Amino acid sequence: NAGVTQTPKFRVLKTGQSMTLLCAQDMNHEYMYWYRQDPGMGLRLIHYSVGEGTTAKGEVPDGYNVSRLKKQNFLLGLESAAPSQTSVYFCASSYYGNSNQPQHFGDGTRLSIL
Amino acid sequence: GENVEQHPSTLSVQEGDSAVIKCTYSDSASNYFPWYKQELGKRPQLIIDIRSNVGEKKDQRIAVTLNKTAKHFSLHITETQPEDSAVYFCAARGGNNRLAFGKGNQVVVIP
Repeated sequence: NAGVTQTPKFRVLKTGQSMTLLCAQDMNHEYMYWYRQDPGMGLRLIHYSVGEGTTAKGEVPDGYNVSRLKKQNFLLGLESAAPSQTSVYFCASSYYGNSNQPQHFGDGTRLSIL
Repeated sequence: GENVEQHPSTLSVQEGDSAVIKCTYSDSASNYFPWYKQELGKRPQLIIDIRSNVGEKKDQRIAVTLNKTAKHFSLHITETQPEDSAVYFCAARGGNNRLAFGKGNQVVVIP
């Protein structure tokens, strides 16, 4: 049972390039989330999904797109990377979004945009 | 949406002393309050959580208290050890069912 797995762990991009971050979970969780973590800012929700085939915007969605074609996978895309998107990205999952279901986090992807 | 604030931003304690981190939240409909510990370069890990129908919860050296009237909750770490040094995040699940995180507290345990 690997939990939540994120790939890649590190990536350097040039401004304007595109890429996709992959998140996979093997816990049969319904809900999945993408956060970004910047120094002094805590964790901010980018997009989330409440089940296969669904996506919704979070607190900071601009410049990102997501897809949840399979229940176990949640992809985060950057179509045209900008230096402001340099951050550590964390994926998380939970059984449901209601009151007593904790979120489990992956190890993160450290992304630098030059 | 929910807004969560943590105080203080940095806390230094002598090994063996207690550490207390306090968080306030804005959404009176919030009903779930987890605490996460994040060591340098690692993932946030859940250490304790509390639901709105409970006032206090304890797990060995860690406890969380919740005051719904004042809309604040606190993390208490007793008998601190060097391995308790980390960033601690509080969060609150508001009426929109989304977790809002505080900005984190750096706890430094001085041997």
